[in-house]
Amino acid sequence: QVQLVESGGGLVKPGGSLRLSCAASGFIFSDYYMSWIRQAPGKGLEWISDISGRSSYINYADSVKGRFTISRDNAKNSLYLQINSLRAEDTAVYYCARAKYSSGWPLLYWGQGTLVTVSS
Amino acid sequence: DIQMTQSPSTLSASVGDRVTITCRASQSIGTWLAWYQQKPGKAPKLLIFKASNLEGGVPSRFSGSGSGTEFTLTISSLQPDDFASYYCQQYKTYLTFGGGTKVEIK
Repeated sequence: QVQLVESGGGLVKPGGSLRLSCAASGFIFSDYYMSWIRQAPGKGLEWISDISGRSSYINYADSVKGRFTISRDNAKNSLYLQINSLRAEDTAVYYCARAKYSSGWPLLYWGQGTLVTVSS
Repeated sequence: DIQMTQSPSTLSASVGDRVTITCRASQSIGTWLAWYQQKPGKAPKLLIFKASNLEGGVPSRFSGSGSGTEFTLTISSLQPDDFASYYCQQYKTYLTFGGGTKVEIK
């Protein structure tokens, strides 16, 4: 069965950096678009970024462009999110998710999320 | 960018009630719309895709309709397990979520 497991979250000071990981199993990882979505405490869902199966297409939300970098390693069945210049407003649970179809959306499988807290 | 506006933001209802949630897109998205259910501390769960297609395993009391800029999610008879938050999402151009609707017990 499909499994997505995020890791790498934690407490970080403003201006710091973090690298989130998402380990995937149960499907042919390289066949699918993958996404990162975040949810600030008590708030709604916000799409951050997505990446195609071969990393040919990468997209970012305007709110994170220039500070966040999505990448994947198909040999390791892993998705990554490098987050730089962290701000208090980046505090959120970060989810990785897989598209329903190899050709794209919507998001069918989600990880359990990893919490990033930005505070001095 | 495509903006998604959901209403209401909170809805109080009783078991057995018929519940309708509305989602409006800032421009036409055809039927590229999904609905998700989220319970506290859990990841969202896909309920409906392409505006009106029920995801496998989702109870038939859930239904979706609409096209263009106006969409609705209907729960025909609210069950105890349905008290949760619901989000619409467009996937015509990148991904955008609505602000969410919390369905709470009346």
